[in-house]
Amino acid sequence: RKEVEQDPGPFNVPEGATVAFNCTYSNSASQSFFWYRQDCRKEPKLLMSVYSSGNEDGRFTAQLNRASQYISLLIRDSKLSDSATYLCVVNINPSMRFGAGTRLTVKP
Amino acid sequence: DGGITQSPKYLFRKEGQNVTLSCEQNLNHDAMYWYRQDPGQGLRLIYYSQIVNDFQKGDIAEGYSVSREKKESFPLTVTSAQKNPTAFYLCASSIGGGGFIQPQHFGDGTRLSIL
Repeated sequence: RKEVEQDPGPFNVPEGATVAFNCTYSNSASQSFFWYRQDCRKEPKLLMSVYSSGNEDGRFTAQLNRASQYISLLIRDSKLSDSATYLCVVNINPSMRFGAGTRLTVKP
Repeated sequence: DGGITQSPKYLFRKEGQNVTLSCEQNLNHDAMYWYRQDPGQGLRLIYYSQIVNDFQKGDIAEGYSVSREKKESFPLTVTSAQKNPTAFYLCASSIGGGGFIQPQHFGDGTRLSIL
């Protein structure tokens, strides 16, 4: 089993749709969780940290389920500019583990 | 503007040659990291440094070397021993503290190819 697993997609959704990504991780001792966004041939950029209580930033909501060892990202009212690959990142000491990413394409 | 600067953006390596990728940050971050990204795969950790004059191997350190003589700088050398160096190399930094707790911020990467 991979340490961090994501559905690779691609997810193709129309503008205005709501889309959700899940990510599972293997190490129950992990303490930090993040979602990054990566545009084609660019560096990853931090989208949001994920907290136990769940957190929201505008149209983006992140949730953590420690019991089931997964985190999720919900994007509401998708925009064309949301098209990117979304990376799930989990700290698994002594390193940070990156998922391979879920590709999202938002279409007009 | 604070940030992480990687250079060059594109690099070509000849067989048997060592090449060095530069990474400089002015964020006053203690920790710095090097990752490699191959198509369709997640980032893999090559080396990391949590303090000046100290660094640790990551998951795929073979064929690579680093130094950390200054807080701002963490150059990566891809040696001739690395037989498959073609990849996208990303440097990152984070606020200090052990255990990889803090989020990492990335430079814009160097694409390395073999001639």
